[in-house]
Amino acid sequence: EAGVTQFPSHSVIEKGQTVTLRCDPISGHDNLYWYRRVMGKEIKFLLHFVKESKQDESGMPNNRFLAERTGGTYSTLKVQPAELEDSGVYFCASSLRRLLSGTDTQYFGPGTRLTVL
Amino acid sequence: GESVGLHLPTLSVQEGDNSIINCAYSNSASDYFIWYKQESGKGPQFIIDIRSNMDKRQGQRVTVLLNKTVKHLSLQIAATQPGDSAVYFCAENTGYSTLTFGKGTMLLVSP
Repeated sequence: EAGVTQFPSHSVIEKGQTVTLRCDPISGHDNLYWYRRVMGKEIKFLLHFVKESKQDESGMPNNRFLAERTGGTYSTLKVQPAELEDSGVYFCASSLRRLLSGTDTQYFGPGTRLTVL
Repeated sequence: GESVGLHLPTLSVQEGDNSIINCAYSNSASDYFIWYKQESGKGPQFIIDIRSNMDKRQGQRVTVLLNKTVKHLSLQIAATQPGDSAVYFCAENTGYSTLTFGKGTMLLVSP
């Protein structure tokens, strides 16, 4: 079974440019999450999709960040315009909620390293 | 790969030793806890989880202990191997599916 995949693995852009990150969750996983880790800090939650709907976007830092999951499959995270403080590693995770047990193990992708110069 | 930074707590052990990695969590309402392992250039990899109605859970070579009284979680790795070298994160879930991660501990295993 293929795991969570993310594209690109690395992106280097200049301040003010736009970047779009993509995440393909594990097939059949309705839940998709975006997290971010900036240098020296903890991994922080950004938002959570259930299928195509945003369940929780409380972690999105500001309106320069836009996440979409049209059709409930893959997701994109766009940063426009990018700022220096947006540099970090962006992780995507997906999960299959098992209603009977209540567990919701999140499986992570390899991340996209974003560098804003 | 991702740099894990120079400010992580580090645990250095010899191959074959047992390792104990500790984590303090903050939210007394958290009901589900997970340990992740992150190797350089990869995303966090699920190791083991535990629900708040348990105080111990065992997997293959790993054991997680939960002490709700002092909000403490630990990961024990038996017979540590060089391949166990990585950064280990604990994460807590308050029931709304979002994970709150700890800072991480770097485990270095010497052959």
